[in-house]
Amino acid sequence: NAGVTQTPKFQVLKTGQSMTLQCAQDMNHEYMSWYRQDPGMGLRLIHYSVGAGITDQGEVPNGYNVSRSTTEDFPLRLLSAAPSQTSVYFCASRGRDRGTSPLHFGNGTRLTVT
Amino acid sequence: AQKITQTQPGMFVQEKEAVTLDCTYDTSDPSYGLFWYKQPSSGEMIFLIYQGSYDQQNATEGRYSLNFQKARKSANLVISASQLGDSAMYFCAMREGPYFGNEKLTFGTGTRLTIIP
Repeated sequence: NAGVTQTPKFQVLKTGQSMTLQCAQDMNHEYMSWYRQDPGMGLRLIHYSVGAGITDQGEVPNGYNVSRSTTEDFPLRLLSAAPSQTSVYFCASRGRDRGTSPLHFGNGTRLTVT
Repeated sequence: AQKITQTQPGMFVQEKEAVTLDCTYDTSDPSYGLFWYKQPSSGEMIFLIYQGSYDQQNATEGRYSLNFQKARKSANLVISASQLGDSAMYFCAMREGPYFGNEKLTFGTGTRLTIIP
């Protein structure tokens, strides 16, 4: 029972490099989202998707792109990495309901940009 | 103004004692949901408990209960009979407004709970 799977677990980038954080879920959840966690700031929403082909911006979208071509996958792209993007990134999903269902989180990706 | 405020950066509690983690929230929307998550040192986010704004009773899940005081806009997490495995970071979060398609959860800054043997 995999749930939400994120890869890689750790990544080091140089400033200006690009990369894609992968996220896949096997629970047939319609809703998927990306959060970043920084010390002392809790988790902040980057982008989210309410279904295949539909994405929208969250609180801190600048410097990130997303797409949702399938229900299962929701990759997060860093276009040109900056040190300010050093963070722990979490992908999450939930089923479609009245909103009472909690988010299921992946185990996170720790990204360092030098 | 902060939408979710957790005023206790860290707490130390003796094993087997009950502990209350504070959370206050700010919203003008009559429809909202409140969540508590646990983050152990291994880093994963674990859902603990949910309270809806229209729920008449306080939510309970095993040793976890939510002390929901709507007029005071507080949603404190109570852990009964604490265990060493309860040592972790705890986050309070809120989802506001129409539920369908609303994916934004606002998180507090967390409380680090340490259980002392």
